[in-house]
Amino acid sequence: DAGITQSPRHKVTETGTPVTLRCHQTENHRYMYWYRQDPGHGLRLIHYSYGVKDTDKGEVSDGYSVSRSKTEDFLLTLESATSSQTSVYFCAISDKRGVQETQYFGPGTRLLVL
Amino acid sequence: LAKTTQPISMDSYEGQEVNITCSHNNIATNDYITWYQQFPSQGPRFIIQGYKTKVTNEVASLFIPADRKSSTLSLPRVSLSDTAVYYCLVGASGSARQLTFGSGTQLTVLP
Repeated sequence: DAGITQSPRHKVTETGTPVTLRCHQTENHRYMYWYRQDPGHGLRLIHYSYGVKDTDKGEVSDGYSVSRSKTEDFLLTLESATSSQTSVYFCAISDKRGVQETQYFGPGTRLLVL
Repeated sequence: LAKTTQPISMDSYEGQEVNITCSHNNIATNDYITWYQQFPSQGPRFIIQGYKTKVTNEVASLFIPADRKSSTLSLPRVSLSDTAVYYCLVGASGSARQLTFGSGTQLTVLP
């Protein structure tokens, strides 16, 4: 399994507070992604990174920002948490072999915004 | 991004072969087809990936017809531990490929 850790694994916070989730990889993969997963839905892409300091928005980026200052770390920040951001957040890293690309997922962070 | 359609749920019995079909009518020339498995409270896990014809690994086979508008994941002799949600995705490799996850197929293996 790819070496991906997420921290914290569980968090409860209050509406209006900033929250930062961390994704750490030991695989030296170039691409990293943040997804959220809600009941009855598949995963939806929030932001992704294709290198240090290179990031872009995904499908549901409003209310979220990201930073990648090192290859191994990709941070997701909820600038002012809202109840609609209660979700499970997954980080993924991408392994590109030739023209094929496969994403490997972390264990997830369960966030509850009260 | 190519849209995929797969059954919402399937039931099977232990020891049977399970085939889950995914349709992707607007698949692009450069798109690969990838299947993931997800257990409750875990991240998706890569199962298999292919471009055309047949691909087989230690856990599954992937059948892709010549027109590539559909694909079938085949799980041989399933066990109770194969109960999970299975996602079919299509997308091109390249810079920061974005995967579009559908709702997936809930496979339930019964004793």
